[in-house]
Amino acid sequence: DIQMTQSPSILSASVGDRVSITCRASQSVSGWLAWFQQKPGRAPKLLIYKASTLKSGVPSKFSGSGSGTEFTLTISSLQPADFATYYCQQYGSYPITFGQGTRLEIK
Amino acid sequence: QVQLQESGPGQVKPSETLSLTCSVSGGSISVHYWNWIRQPAGNGLEWIGHINTVGGTKYNPSLKSRVTMSVDTSTNQFSLKLTSVTAADTAVYYCARSNFLDYWGQGILVTVSS
Repeated sequence: DIQMTQSPSILSASVGDRVSITCRASQSVSGWLAWFQQKPGRAPKLLIYKASTLKSGVPSKFSGSGSGTEFTLTISSLQPADFATYYCQQYGSYPITFGQGTRLEIK
Repeated sequence: QVQLQESGPGQVKPSETLSLTCSVSGGSISVHYWNWIRQPAGNGLEWIGHINTVGGTKYNPSLKSRVTMSVDTSTNQFSLKLTSVTAADTAVYYCARSNFLDYWGQGILVTVSS
């Protein structure tokens, strides 16, 4: 299985900040990487797929980059609605696997 | 607008079989892969497996011996069966579309308890 490791696990930030979350794969997943946002009691929502393609309707404040084994999700100008847990997911190899999650909390 | 909705019992007894159905609306089930994912309370996401309408299935090896998925194009539904459940199978179960999970159901909490 490909192990996905996110860092940091917890990220404290303020409204208006720009933050980045890193996801590392234990082996190359090429560009087959997605990012999700999850709020308590809700299903995850897709933000980005194929490493850097924004899902239709997702604000451009979210951006993704990377390929191979290292990927980054960047969120600019944080707003209260952005404080949530973020997951990466690789779909380049079976089984599909997720990172452990990064909780973005208000400082 | 594609919508998915999970349904099934909210409680299953240990050693019995968990059975869930996902109803798809706003799009054809004949395209894409259709997935099951679960999330124990306070924990991360685990992919269970997926199926397409030509009968192709892929299961997580960690669950493969206990999982069966099926799809019914006449009702636009797909299903999950997980046998011999234990307390470790207690989780919110989600259905979702495609390899990159672009649409999700709201989730259903399944508790394994006698």
